[in-house]
Amino acid sequence: DAMVIQNPRYQVTQFGKPVTLSCSQTLNHNVMYWYQQKSSQAPKLLFHYYDKDFNNEADTPDNFQSRRPNTSFCFLDIRSPGLGDAAMYLCATSRDREVYEQYFGPGTRLTVT
Amino acid sequence: KQEVTQIPAALSVPEGENLVLNCSFTDSAIYNLQWFRQDPGKGLTSLLLIQSSQREQTSGRLNASLDKSSGRSTLYIAASQPGDSATYLCAPDSGSARQLTFGSGTQLTVLP
Repeated sequence: DAMVIQNPRYQVTQFGKPVTLSCSQTLNHNVMYWYQQKSSQAPKLLFHYYDKDFNNEADTPDNFQSRRPNTSFCFLDIRSPGLGDAAMYLCATSRDREVYEQYFGPGTRLTVT
Repeated sequence: KQEVTQIPAALSVPEGENLVLNCSFTDSAIYNLQWFRQDPGKGLTSLLLIQSSQREQTSGRLNASLDKSSGRSTLYIAASQPGDSATYLCAPDSGSARQLTFGSGTQLTVLP
């Protein structure tokens, strides 16, 4: 089945140790999104790619970066994780900006020790 | 800046009841509105998408309505079942960047 896949599902990292989260999609969608969701809060958009065009949200910390080497894959890099970065990270895709419905992966739960 | 409010924050009902979840948003200039379901510790599952030109959308026991001018949407769940227990999130799509803004959700518990 076509889907959005995130790896790993659970990630533990140490304070300040760089970590990379992975997202892949078999939907051949042009747009990929990364959201951060802290406990009992709404998901918050960090950035998105429209094809190779990177769009950063104004309040996304510089500590968060992303790469999209091809249509299928997108990575979230956290350069120096702090305790406040512990959260669920959700990847989503949509076919394009006009056909809008977003499809989400299962998420990666990040713990920072 | 779009702000989304969902009421109630939590709801507990006996199995079989019909129920309504409410969503309000401050910027009525939306393109679409999407309703999602989130199970504990899991990702989001899209339930319904209502385009701004539509008044309602139905899928099985779910019916979502949209009143764009007043900044409101409702999700109606008919004949609720324990398997419907989850957090329900609404997210209007607005702004030049076509960004989804999420509410904090309504946590639904359906008791057997």
